[in-house]
Amino acid sequence: DTGVSQNPRHKITKRGQNVTFRCDPISEHNRLYWYRQTLGQGPEFLTYFQNEAQLEKSRLLSDRFSAERPKGSFSTLEIQRTEQGDSAMYLCASSLGGGKLFFGSGTQLSVL
Amino acid sequence: AQSVTQLGSHVSVSEGALVLLRCNYSSSVPPYLFWYVQYPNQGLQLLLKYTSAATLVKGINGFEAEFKKSETSFHLTKPSAHMSDAAEYFCAVSTLRGNNDMRFGAGTRLTVKP
Repeated sequence: DTGVSQNPRHKITKRGQNVTFRCDPISEHNRLYWYRQTLGQGPEFLTYFQNEAQLEKSRLLSDRFSAERPKGSFSTLEIQRTEQGDSAMYLCASSLGGGKLFFGSGTQLSVL
Repeated sequence: AQSVTQLGSHVSVSEGALVLLRCNYSSSVPPYLFWYVQYPNQGLQLLLKYTSAATLVKGINGFEAEFKKSETSFHLTKPSAHMSDAAEYFCAVSTLRGNNDMRFGAGTRLTVKP
């Protein structure tokens, strides 16, 4: 069990650029979640996959955000035309169910 | 939609003292409730969860929480704080068995003084 891996750990970008984050869940976990966390706040739900199917998307996820999980393995979260308000920690978690989510260490995005 | 409110963004206790972190929930259906802990530079880890079996739930590292429906609360306690307990603690609620609707509180930062 190598845990949930997220890359990169940090990303600095200029406003208007596109960025992509990767999440490698624990291999046998069929559920995968993306959350966003800003300073002083708890994780905010963005989207959820069960295997390769994206079953739920938060209203927070504007059309600039897209997430994929091809073949039900790793997942990517892309943000197009980044804005300063997108600066946050992006967290990925995976699970077999039962409420026990395993979180990665996150990707810290800074939009200048 | 379900939600949780954590009372107190910062709690400071002395080593050996009681730890009490407060969480109140709102849900139109019977909830599943969770406490997660986040140590510096680490991902969130599950401390304990309530899934309607027993109202007093024991977790890792000596923590426990009691589900009180009448008070819509799920407070986290530990009888004696240790320096290693210093971390951020998050209460979370879910209403679905698959927990894909898990929502987190804003967190409480626990400081333990020697």
